[in-house]
Amino acid sequence: NAGVTQTPKFQVLKTGQSMTLQCAQDMNHNSMYWYRQDPGMGLRLIYYSASEGTTDKGEVPNGYNVSRLNKREFSLRLESAAPSQTSVYFCASTPIHTEAFFGQGTRLTVV
Amino acid sequence: GENVEQHPSTLSVQEGDSAVIKCTYSDSASNYFPWYKQELGKGPQLIIDIRSNVGEKKDQRIAVTLNKTAKHFSLHITETQPEDSAVYFCAASKGAGSYQLTFGKGTKLSVIP
Repeated sequence: NAGVTQTPKFQVLKTGQSMTLQCAQDMNHNSMYWYRQDPGMGLRLIYYSASEGTTDKGEVPNGYNVSRLNKREFSLRLESAAPSQTSVYFCASTPIHTEAFFGQGTRLTVV
Repeated sequence: GENVEQHPSTLSVQEGDSAVIKCTYSDSASNYFPWYKQELGKGPQLIIDIRSNVGEKKDQRIAVTLNKTAKHFSLHITETQPEDSAVYFCAASKGAGSYQLTFGKGTKLSVIP
């Protein structure tokens, strides 16, 4: 059972480039989330999808877009990357918003 | 919105001693309080959680206590071992109808052999 799988694990972008972070879960969970983790800041919610077909903004949505492609997959897109978006990004899923299962993270550096 | 404060930010204990991490929350409507452990290079993993209808919950060496009146909850780890060294996060959620976990900023626990 793979759980929550994120790709890629590492990425370096130049300012202004775009990219999509992929997330897939195989636990048949309804809700999925994208968080960013910065030193000393904990985890901050970027966007979430309560169920297939719905997405909502979290605490820090500016500069990001998301797509809930189907029940399994939830992608995060950076249209024009900025150095402030250098961070570790975590995808998570929950069956009914109880325990959140996290992926291994994507370490993104924007130069 | 919800605000979760976590203390201390770093904690060093001798192996075998106890460790306590404390969190406070601001929104009295919050009713679900999980604790996550994050090892280096990995995603956070749930270690214990508590709901607002319970004052204390225990799982082997780990316990969580909740004081709804004071709006604070704590993680207690007894008989610490080197493998307990990690970053610990507390979080709070309003439960049904809300899908957002608000996290504290984390505590880096070091257990010295």
